[in-house]
Amino acid sequence: RKEVEQDPGPFNVPEGATVAFNCTYSNSASQSFFWYRQDCRKEPKLLMSVYSSGNEDGRFTAQLNRASQYISLLIRDSKLSDSATYLCAVTTGFQKLVFGTGTRLLVSP
Amino acid sequence: DAGVTQSPTHLIKTRGQQVTLRCSPKSGHDTVSWYQQALGQGPQFIFQYYEEEERQRGNFPDRFSGHQFPNYSSELNVNALLLGDSALYLCASSFVRGVTGELFFGEGSRLTVL
Repeated sequence: RKEVEQDPGPFNVPEGATVAFNCTYSNSASQSFFWYRQDCRKEPKLLMSVYSSGNEDGRFTAQLNRASQYISLLIRDSKLSDSATYLCAVTTGFQKLVFGTGTRLLVSP
Repeated sequence: DAGVTQSPTHLIKTRGQQVTLRCSPKSGHDTVSWYQQALGQGPQFIFQYYEEEERQRGNFPDRFSGHQFPNYSSELNVNALLLGDSALYLCASSFVRGVTGELFFGEGSRLTVL
């Protein structure tokens, strides 16, 4: 079993739609959780950290469920520019990230 | 403020050759981590350097080695290249007392092994 698992997609949604991604992790000792965004052939960039209390940044909302060991990302009012791969990541050591395979999102007009 | 810079951006090697990739961390960062990202996969942790020493290592063979210099820049060396080493190699920098998990990635070095 992979340490971090994500549905690879692609998720095809129209502009304005709401889309949600889930990610599960296997190591219960994982300490911190993140969503990174990666555009095609570019480097990953931190989108947001994920906290148990949930956190929101504009159209993006992230949630953590430690009991069930999953992380979610909700994108509201999808824009064409949201098309990218969304990588779930957890820390298992100091500044050491374990990534999922990523979920590809395609937003169409 | 320069971000993380990597060189070369693209390179082609043949099986059995050796390669050296270079990384300069973001200004103010002291920790450098290297990741390998194969096509269609997420980045896989190779190793991490802090204070010129390897602090953590992922599940990669000894063919993968690295170094960190006093100015915090780093090199990744891969010996006896295999076809399966073809990937995007990402350098990520962070500050030892910074926010956990807040890594800044370079644009990567895309290695093709023929």
